[in-house]
Formats: sequence, structure tokens, C-alpha cells
Amino acid sequence: DQQVKQNSPSLSVQEGRISILNCDYTNSMFDYFLWYKKYPAEGPTFLISISSIKDKNEDGRFTVFLNKSAKHLSLHIVPSQPGDSAVYFCATYSGTYKYIFGTGTRLKVLA
Amino acid sequence: EPEVTQTPSHQVTQMGQEVILRCVPISNHLYFYWYRQILGQKVEFLVSFYNNEISEKSEIFDDQFSVERPDGSNFTLKIRSTKLEDSAMYFCASSEYLASTEAFFGQGTRLTVV
Repeated sequence: DQQVKQNSPSLSVQEGRISILNCDYTNSMFDYFLWYKKYPAEGPTFLISISSIKDKNEDGRFTVFLNKSAKHLSLHIVPSQPGDSAVYFCATYSGTYKYIFGTGTRLKVLA
Repeated sequence: EPEVTQTPSHQVTQMGQEVILRCVPISNHLYFYWYRQILGQKVEFLVSFYNNEISEKSEIFDDQFSVERPDGSNFTLKIRSTKLEDSAMYFCASSEYLASTEAFFGQGTRLTVV
């Protein structure tokens, strides 16, 4: 039962271009969404979040878009840098005492 | 900047042995979590803890697992009798509030059961 899905396991982007990572969720009651970045052998690092009362949140090079009707969110990274190469997880607060993570997308930014 | 710290970074144990993974959450946080990630797989929820009791646990968190906050700072995960399939990265996390806030994760403990 995958409540949060990231359908692209990997993505390669040229340095300086835009990276777009996508995430779909199943439960319309979810109202808070997060993106985490994870390097190998390290813990997830919080990047950016969005509440369902918004459709966009921006922080520097990172922008998250939320389409509630489609139950879809995306993370845009502009411009992409080699240091952005990592696994990106979308997550949601489930409404109970846990965060639910997607399966992750491995982003590779090519220099 | 405050952070969640976990010890040890790597633990190797014999199958059937007990292990305790330790975490120091961020000091003003009230909600604590354990997650794990088996190599190459998703980050899986194990348990959440608030006000000195378990708030929610997953199917993975069976009778072999327990959590404890023995003092005001530490938060531990105990696996009583480890199995080969318990080998994974275990992440502790904490959050200040329950909803509409991010959880901060530690660097993880790599548990290898041999």
C-alpha cells in the first residue's frame, strides 16, 4: 500500500539546468508535505515543505509545487548543481504520529 | 545548529544477540521517531514516541523491538534477538510539534547482523 509514490527511480540533469522531481499521493486528507535529500550513509536532510493551503513554496533554488486536485507535488531545483546529486524523498505527515516517505528518486547532476 | 545525534555509527552483532541503538534528539523537541532503511529500499517507519509512551508503531515493530527514553535526553531502540533481516540503517528523528512541522533526522546507525 504505497500512499506516497515517486515513479521515477532516477533522473540525470546537466549542471545549470532545471531538475524536476515528482511525487504522487493517494490520500486527499494529507495536508503537509516535505522533501528530504539524502546522501549515502547519511540521514535524510530536510529541504522544503508545503502546507495544503498553498500551491507553491520557494526557498532559494528550491521550489515545491502542490496540485491538490491531482494529488501531486513536485520539487524544482534551479539551477542544478553537482552537489545536488543525492536521493530525494518526498514525505507527508500522515495525520497520525508518523511521516510517510516515498521510494525516492536518485538525482545525478552532470558537470 | 541543533542536531539529532546517533551512536554508534556502525554496529555489528551476532544473530540472536540484543542491540541497543542510541539517539539524542534535539533538546526542545517533544516527538521522537525511529525509521529504518534496508539497503536500496524505502525509508520505513518503525515507531513514534511522545510523552513517554509509544504513539504509533508499524507492523515491523514487533515484540522484539522496544523503545525507551531513560532520561531527559536519550532515546533508545532495543532489538532483543536480532535476525539477519534486521540489517539496515536505523534513523532516529525528532520534531518539535506533531503536525505541520519537519522532522529532523540523525546520521543513522548501520546495523549489520551476521
